[in-house]
Amino acid sequence: DGGITQSPKYLFRKEGQNVTLSCEQNLNHDAMYWYRQDPGQGLRLIYYSQIVNDFQKGDIAEGYSVSREKKESFPLTVTSAQKNPTAFYLCASSMGTGGYGYTFGSGTRLTVV
Amino acid sequence: GEDVEQSLFLSVREGDSSVINCTYTDSSSTYLYWYKQEPGAGLQLLTYIFSNMDMKQDQRLTVLLNKKDKHLSLRIADTQTGDSAIYFCAESMATALIFGKGTTLSVSS
Repeated sequence: DGGITQSPKYLFRKEGQNVTLSCEQNLNHDAMYWYRQDPGQGLRLIYYSQIVNDFQKGDIAEGYSVSREKKESFPLTVTSAQKNPTAFYLCASSMGTGGYGYTFGSGTRLTVV
Repeated sequence: GEDVEQSLFLSVREGDSSVINCTYTDSSSTYLYWYKQEPGAGLQLLTYIFSNMDMKQDQRLTVLLNKKDKHLSLRIADTQTGDSAIYFCAESMATALIFGKGTTLSVSS
């Protein structure tokens, strides 16, 4: 079955550490996205990629980095520069941008300890 | 600015109809979406409507679109306890979907 897989489901980070969240899809989708969800804030766009080897900043990219070396994979690194990283992170993919619906992963909950 | 607005909470009794409202900002949005999120899970696409339509019905779900007022609504008929979740409205922009903050639907038996 085609889908989008995020791992791990729960992640704990110490202050000052970088951590990488995995996102893999086998839907043959061109576009992939990372959103951050905080209670009462809805979904805020961190980064998106329309095609392999290309990605763009979203509304809250500071303190985050991404890569898109393969069509199937779009990992997100939360760096030590992100001052408030505790949140629920959602990855999504779509056939393209501009009107295609998204398929979402099940999310990664990151907690700073 | 690019803001999709939704009321934050709705509480209904089992068997009643639920109506969740949304206002969006970009009249050129091609598609408008409704997603459902259950606790600790990702978002699941419920339904969508193309911008040249006024209404779309899909089993218990009815979507109404008023383009003049940029208003979108989702009606859930015969609401069940399993419908308790957060519902997100989203509009399509050139590069990504813009989501509202979500409406938490609570269904009591």
